[in-house]
Amino acid sequence: SAVISQKPSRDICQRGTSLTIQCQVDSQVTMMFWYRQQPGQSLTLIATANQGSEATYESGFVIDKFPISRPNLTFSTLTVSNMSPEDSSIYLCSVPSWSGDYNEQFFGPGTRLTVL
Amino acid sequence: GQNIDQPTEMTATEGAIVQINCTYQTSGFNGLFWYQQHAGEAPTFLSYNVLDGLEEKGRFSSFLSRSKGYSYLLLKELQMKDSASYLCAPMDSNYQLIWGAGTKLIIKP
Repeated sequence: SAVISQKPSRDICQRGTSLTIQCQVDSQVTMMFWYRQQPGQSLTLIATANQGSEATYESGFVIDKFPISRPNLTFSTLTVSNMSPEDSSIYLCSVPSWSGDYNEQFFGPGTRLTVL
Repeated sequence: GQNIDQPTEMTATEGAIVQINCTYQTSGFNGLFWYQQHAGEAPTFLSYNVLDGLEEKGRFSSFLSRSKGYSYLLLKELQMKDSASYLCAPMDSNYQLIWGAGTKLIIKP
């Protein structure tokens, strides 16, 4: 299993500003995922962050808007840049952890972002 | 394309049984996960199926038919705390989870 913490848990930000979300895992993991979940919607994968390489972004997400850092095997940050109200969402980091039979994905508690 | 279909909302009575269905189309298949998500919280793992058939885990069971692209989650002896969203998530050939929008389950006394 994996225990994941995120900071901040929530924030209210002004349009045009940026927010950096931190994700800390209690064990070393190669892959970390960043998701966005808008109210009542499915989880949408933003990017996959592997330590030692550039993050891989999904269609519709770009590095300039969502820069990611992955300085070591237990930590990652996601920055939401030049925010607009459309960025209001819950942002979740996730890591896979091998259970012996399959890779279960564990999620952090999420960061609830409101952009005014 | 990749697609997940599950009911938006279901209502059931405390103590009863409910079945949440999920149909999926993915590029390749490496198993299917069910997650539970309470309002305002992160998803938590419930079950994983990679072979056809039923997997039972306490009050929860999950069924998979790969040929039909179909899975269901069966919840027995419903409790008020089971009120949550249930997310169906098959894993594609790239080992990436494809998330459904979830089924909001409302339990009434």
